[in-house]
Amino acid sequence: DGGITQSPKYLFRKEGQNVTLSCEQNLNHDAMYWYRQDPGQGLRLIYYSQIVNDFQKGDIAEGYSVSREKKESFPLTVTSAQKNPTAFYLCASSMGINNSPLHFGNGTRLTVT
Amino acid sequence: AQSVTQLDSQVPVFEEAPVELRCNYSSSVSVYLFWYVQYPNQGLQLLLKYLSGSTLVKGINGFEAEFNKSQTSFHLRKPSVHISDTAEYFCAVLNTGFQKLVFGTGTRLLVSP
Repeated sequence: DGGITQSPKYLFRKEGQNVTLSCEQNLNHDAMYWYRQDPGQGLRLIYYSQIVNDFQKGDIAEGYSVSREKKESFPLTVTSAQKNPTAFYLCASSMGINNSPLHFGNGTRLTVT
Repeated sequence: AQSVTQLDSQVPVFEEAPVELRCNYSSSVSVYLFWYVQYPNQGLQLLLKYLSGSTLVKGINGFEAEFNKSQTSFHLRKPSVHISDTAEYFCAVLNTGFQKLVFGTGTRLLVSP
């Protein structure tokens, strides 16, 4: 079955440590996205990528970094510069940046203490 | 800039009753509209979408939505809900001039027996 795999489902880190969240898709989609979800705030776009080796900042990119070395993979690094990293992180993909619907992974819940 | 408003953060309803989840958007140009559903600790799943054509759109699980351009609304309806419909529902808008999907803050539908 085609889909998006996010791992791990739960992640715990100490404050001051960088952490990388994995996102892999086998849908052959060109575009990939990272969203952050906080209670009562909906989804906010962190970064997105239209093609390999290219990505753009979303609305809340500060404290995050990404790479897109392969079409299938779009890892997100939460750095120590992110002030409030504890959240639910969702990865998504679509056929392109147009009116194609997004397909979502099941998310990674990051807790930083 | 485009924006999406979901005025109801929570909607309680009894099983087999009808429900309407409200969504209003603002945009100066044409838009594409989407409804997504999120079950606990999971990613988002597309319920339905409006791209063009008929203003009444039917989706999965018996849901439908009507695009009203004059009222800039895209309300989601279901004539008879089930316990299994308990979830969070997100409205999203894509401005045809931009390439970024904007989500509302979500409405939690609580179906009780």
